[in-house]
Amino acid sequence: GQQLNQSPQSMFIQEGEDVSMNCTSSSIFNTWLWYKQDPGEGPVLLIALYKAGELTSNGRLTAQFGITRKDSFLNISASIPSDVGIYFCAGQLLSGANSKLTFGKGITLSVRP
Amino acid sequence: KAGVTQTPRYLIKTRGQQVTLSCSPISGHRSVSWYQQTPGQGLQFLFEYFSETQRNKGNFPGRFSGRQFSNSRSEMNVSTLELGDSALYLCASSLGQGVAGELFFGEGSRLTVL
Repeated sequence: GQQLNQSPQSMFIQEGEDVSMNCTSSSIFNTWLWYKQDPGEGPVLLIALYKAGELTSNGRLTAQFGITRKDSFLNISASIPSDVGIYFCAGQLLSGANSKLTFGKGITLSVRP
Repeated sequence: KAGVTQTPRYLIKTRGQQVTLSCSPISGHRSVSWYQQTPGQGLQFLFEYFSETQRNKGNFPGRFSGRQFSNSRSEMNVSTLELGDSALYLCASSLGQGVAGELFFGEGSRLTVL
């Protein structure tokens, strides 16, 4: 089945640094989503991408939908302590009435003050 | 606009028991999906319901089941609980099937099986 690869499993950065996360797939998707999950909470949608090549920003977050439709990246600029959490990518391929999302295993981000 | 509501938030069961979890989607959302989250395994898809019908199913044993009501609220049930069923169970709602769109998650129900 479809799988999304996110690596590394954990990232450690210094407050103020930028960080970039990649998500790759062996299959194409026509929607890419990025979620963040805080401890004890459900994932919260950060950015949604609907078109190959699309570059979208949300505050300090920027995400891009890869041209090949098999990858996406998320960039966080000028990190702050509250950026700590698990970041998931998710891909969706619409096929008729099927719109199931496939999630990566997530990257746990730690930010040192 | 109220978000996705899951109940209960926390529960403890023993092996062999069964459990029912409830999910109320965002008003107007007709699709409800359920995920199991365990450390190291990420979000594992359980099933998706739309208009009271199961439309997609993940690779979980038959002990995991669900249903959706006419008001789009959904329940999932796990019978004959095993230790490995301990996890955070997340419900997510979206506008509908066949629509490119985002899933909105609840805070989850954390199940501990002793």
